[in-house]
This record gives sequence, C-alpha cells and structure tokens, in this order.
Amino acid sequence: EPEVTQTPSHQVTQMGQEVILRCVPISNHLYFYWYRQILGQKVEFLVSFYNNEISEKSEIFDDQFSVERPDGSNFTLKIRSTKLEDSAMYFCTTQGDHNSPLHFGNGTRLTVT
Amino acid sequence: QQQVKQSPQSLIVQKGGISIINCAYENTAFDYFPWYQQFPGKGPALLIAIRPDVSEKKEGRFTISFNKSAKQFSLHIMDSQPGDSATYFCAASINTGTASKLTFGTGTRLQVTL
Repeated sequence: EPEVTQTPSHQVTQMGQEVILRCVPISNHLYFYWYRQILGQKVEFLVSFYNNEISEKSEIFDDQFSVERPDGSNFTLKIRSTKLEDSAMYFCTTQGDHNSPLHFGNGTRLTVT
Repeated sequence: QQQVKQSPQSLIVQKGGISIINCAYENTAFDYFPWYQQFPGKGPALLIAIRPDVSEKKEGRFTISFNKSAKQFSLHIMDSQPGDSATYFCAASINTGTASKLTFGTGTRLQVTL
C-alpha cells in the first residue's frame, strides 16, 4: 500500500533555530495537510494545502510557520524560529480527492531544547 | 463548537470482550466521522469511518454506531485481542471542497489483557 514518507523521523534543535520538516506524499494525491500531536495529547490540525496554496489554517499556524511544495513532489513545513512549545510529533497527511480518506505519515518528532 | 468529546480516557478489556469508546460532537455541519488507531511511534491509521446518512457500519470486528439526533457516535470492537491494544481517536470533519480538516477527540488508550 502506498505510504506517506516523512523525514527526518526525529529532529532536535535549539530554541530560535529554523527547522524544515519534509514529506513525500502519495503519488497523485492533491490535498496535503500538517497536523501535530504534543506528547500525550490529541492530534491537532495545523494547515491544509491544495492547488499550491493554503486552503485553511488553524490559530496555531502563525507567522512562524510556512508550507510549500517547492518541486511539485515534496511538501514541507518550516518553522522559522522554534520555541520550546513547538516540541511535538508533526504528521504529514495527504488525500487523493476531498472525499477520500486521509493518509498519515509516521511523523517527525521535533524536540526543541 | 468545533470540539469532539471522547470517553473513556483509558479502557482495560479482557481478551474476547467488547471494547466500547464513545464520542460526542456539537457542530451539525460535520459530515464525516472516522476512527483512527495509533500505535506508539506511528501515525494514526484509519480504522473505519461513517457518514451521517448511515446509523451503523461494520467492518470485521469493528462497528461504528451513529446517532445523529443525539450527536453521538461510538466504536465497538468485538472479540478484542491483545493486538488491538493501542490509542483510538475519533474525529469529525467538514468537507469544504478544498480541505477536509479533521477535529480529533482526546483519545482512548485501550489495553486488552490475556
């Protein structure tokens, strides 16, 4: 079964540093999302991306966050200046069309020290 | 109004028993209700899903019961097995055509004992 691939699996960074989390979506999927899960808590929506632009974003997704699909394949989440509270699992999710199931990657564990 | 409330927080069931997890929502615009299973260190995996025009959906040992008037839905796991031990999340979404944003419940940690 096709998979959503995320790299790296674990990223440790110092507060204030920039990080880029990468995702290779399932081929031919058109809708892309980032979710995050703080340890022991529920999964929270960050942003959705369709037709090369953000279609919806949450309150969490402030100016420190950005997404792009630079080469038409990889989908990235950039955090410009990381804070301690950004420590979480970040999941990339893709969808073939807006009626099909969302497929989650295995996540990137971000640890901000 | 966007919240999805899930209970219980944790559940211990003996092998062969029935596991029941409940969720409730407020927003009547939600039109898709999936359940996800998550093992430690892995992403959530879709288990089963239902739309509000159906009151029940069964796939193998997993059944969703949906009560539209009460705005509640539940997951039943029949003949629970130790391999079912995981965290289960209910979710709800509204399809806007350009996004299907999922709102998750807080999760239920299920432990199936021998």
